[in-house]
Amino acid sequence: AQSVTQLGSHVSVSEGALVLLRCNYSSSVPPYLFWYVQYPNQGLQLLLKYTSAATLVKGINGFEAEFKKSETSFHLTKPSAHMSDAAEYFCAVSDNNNDMRFGAGTRLTVKP
Amino acid sequence: GAVVSQHPSWVICKSGTSVKIECRSLDFQATTMFWYRQFPKQSLMLMATSNEGSKATYEQGVEKDKFLINHASLTLSTLTVTSAHPEDSSFYICSAMVSNQPQHFGDGTRLSIL
Repeated sequence: AQSVTQLGSHVSVSEGALVLLRCNYSSSVPPYLFWYVQYPNQGLQLLLKYTSAATLVKGINGFEAEFKKSETSFHLTKPSAHMSDAAEYFCAVSDNNNDMRFGAGTRLTVKP
Repeated sequence: GAVVSQHPSWVICKSGTSVKIECRSLDFQATTMFWYRQFPKQSLMLMATSNEGSKATYEQGVEKDKFLINHASLTLSTLTVTSAHPEDSSFYICSAMVSNQPQHFGDGTRLSIL
């Protein structure tokens, strides 16, 4: 069975500061890993995905994530936070894009 | 591309009524559609997976007779919450995918049962 754990249900950063959202995964097979963003009362928007190609994955809105097999991690980063980045972020793992399991989510707050 | 539309976006109804939620893939044919439920400040919980023309596969603990899923075409799946009660109030999100591609999510439906 696959699962992901997001460390920190709430992260607060200042505008312009580094954003780091943590995700660790558990999978018995090479995983597909995803980060999604959810704005209030909306569905999920795909930020980026890892599918066993390059370990450093670049996504939309300046976000990127690095797959580290030795640490079973797939942390999401952005060098400089914008106010518009405030949202809920979900890490997800899948074995084949079908059976997708989501983390509990991390709410990002950006302070002016 | 890859737009998934959910309708309605918000519905309020009395306890005991049935509510139908539609999920459409607007610009692609989805081999598989998924239905999720999300409680406030929580993650998405998969309810069921459906493939066009076949019965949905429900996750453990999800009542099949309560949450009826119909996937009549490659672009439309519906979720009907039958005899809804206040505890069914939640945010329901669908997603659609083509084989080996990431799921694309709808904007969700907020269901409030009075």
